[in-house]
Amino acid sequence: GNSVTQMEGPVTLSEEAFLTINCTYTATGYPSLFWYVQYPGEGLQLLLKATKADDKGSNKGFEATYRKETTSFHLEKGSVQVSDSAVYFCALSIPQGGSEKLVFGKGMKLTVNP
Amino acid sequence: KAGVTQTPRYLIKTRGQQVTLSCSPISGHRSVSWYQQTPGQGLQFLFEYFSETQRNKGNFPGRFSGRQFSNSRSEMNVSTLELGDSALYLCASRRPGGRDTQYFGPGTRLTVL
Repeated sequence: GNSVTQMEGPVTLSEEAFLTINCTYTATGYPSLFWYVQYPGEGLQLLLKATKADDKGSNKGFEATYRKETTSFHLEKGSVQVSDSAVYFCALSIPQGGSEKLVFGKGMKLTVNP
Repeated sequence: KAGVTQTPRYLIKTRGQQVTLSCSPISGHRSVSWYQQTPGQGLQFLFEYFSETQRNKGNFPGRFSGRQFSNSRSEMNVSTLELGDSALYLCASRRPGGRDTQYFGPGTRLTVL
């Protein structure tokens, strides 16, 4: 079956620190890969996506590259801010008969201290 | 463009009752999916609707049902509520067109007492 494994944390960093959140996947077929972020009391916001191998998604200083050979989609940011404190979810989707359901990792809570 | 809206935002019910949650997708989006988020199980897919038809269903009991209207708005219903149904229920919409992004609403927080 399809699954996503990601670092769960929680992780606490100081402002301006480097962030890496590891994400690996298992999938039959060719998934699209996503990072979503959830701020306290809110729904999920799309952070970035990649739909094929070697695609690099980037947004708000965050980057992730779709690595088919290692089945990975690690999230990185060079310098985190307090406002990046949130829960980060890695996810995949594969089209199946016109439907696309997201399969999520367990999420990683990040706290950034000033 | 307005985002995905969900109503109500908070609900408190007692065991055995039933509940209906509503989701209005982004204008132009015709597919609506529902997810359950709990601390123990994480985010789990419930079902997806497109053109008023259920296209896919997750591994949930028959107490969980949904429907979609001709204007793409969707509702989900949970009957005979159990304590374990307490969760954040998230709705997501997409166009669809293949390899689409799903955009999420703020969720409905259901508490079952």
